[in-house]
Amino acid sequence: QVQLVQSGAAVKKPGASVKVSCQAAGNAFSDHYINWVRQAPGQGLEWIGWVHTDSGDTNYAQKFQGRVTLTWDTSISAAYMDLSSLKFDDSAIYYCARNTPLVLHAFDVWGQGTMVTVSS
Amino acid sequence: QFVLTQPPSASGTPGQRVTFSCSGSTSDLGRYGVNWYQQLPGTAPRLLIYRNNERPSGVPDRFTGSTSGSSASLAISGLQSEDEAYYYCATWDDDLDGHVVFGGGTKVSVL
Repeated sequence: QVQLVQSGAAVKKPGASVKVSCQAAGNAFSDHYINWVRQAPGQGLEWIGWVHTDSGDTNYAQKFQGRVTLTWDTSISAAYMDLSSLKFDDSAIYYCARNTPLVLHAFDVWGQGTMVTVSS
Repeated sequence: QFVLTQPPSASGTPGQRVTFSCSGSTSDLGRYGVNWYQQLPGTAPRLLIYRNNERPSGVPDRFTGSTSGSSASLAISGLQSEDEAYYYCATWDDDLDGHVVFGGGTKVSVL
């Protein structure tokens, strides 16, 4: 069973950092991109970026460049999203998602989501 | 800034066919392929259509996607109560280093 299991909810203060993990289960993650997508309460989906599971190459949405770091740990098949300088409007559910083998920007396996709340 | 525009809502009665659009600021929206996601309340999105009109395994053939010029559409035939959800279109924008763009989402209600 191919699945992504994310870490639990986090509450952070403005200006702090948060690190969300995404554990891959199953053997179908080699040569894939793990993407991160967020959804603010009552809002739509917003792409943050991706990390390649073999090369570690990354690509970030312009909005998040300089504030987000995506990594992949091959030894344990886990992805991480590190978001710094948190603001109130970073409060959202953060999802990791794997691309399909055929289409790089279509995501066929999703994590369950991690709620990040930024509150003073 | 590339934008995908979706109507905020669509509705139909059980058994009806419902269609809604996704408009892009490009003359060839299907160039990189349009993907559609379904998001049921309180759950992660689910890939419904990829590369304009292809369905992943397990997605009923009641869902069909199409593209034409600067627009894409998702049609749901034989509407069922469990189809009540948000639907998002998405594609690739190759501006700068490239990035994924999502539409704002369409809420489908089954009356």
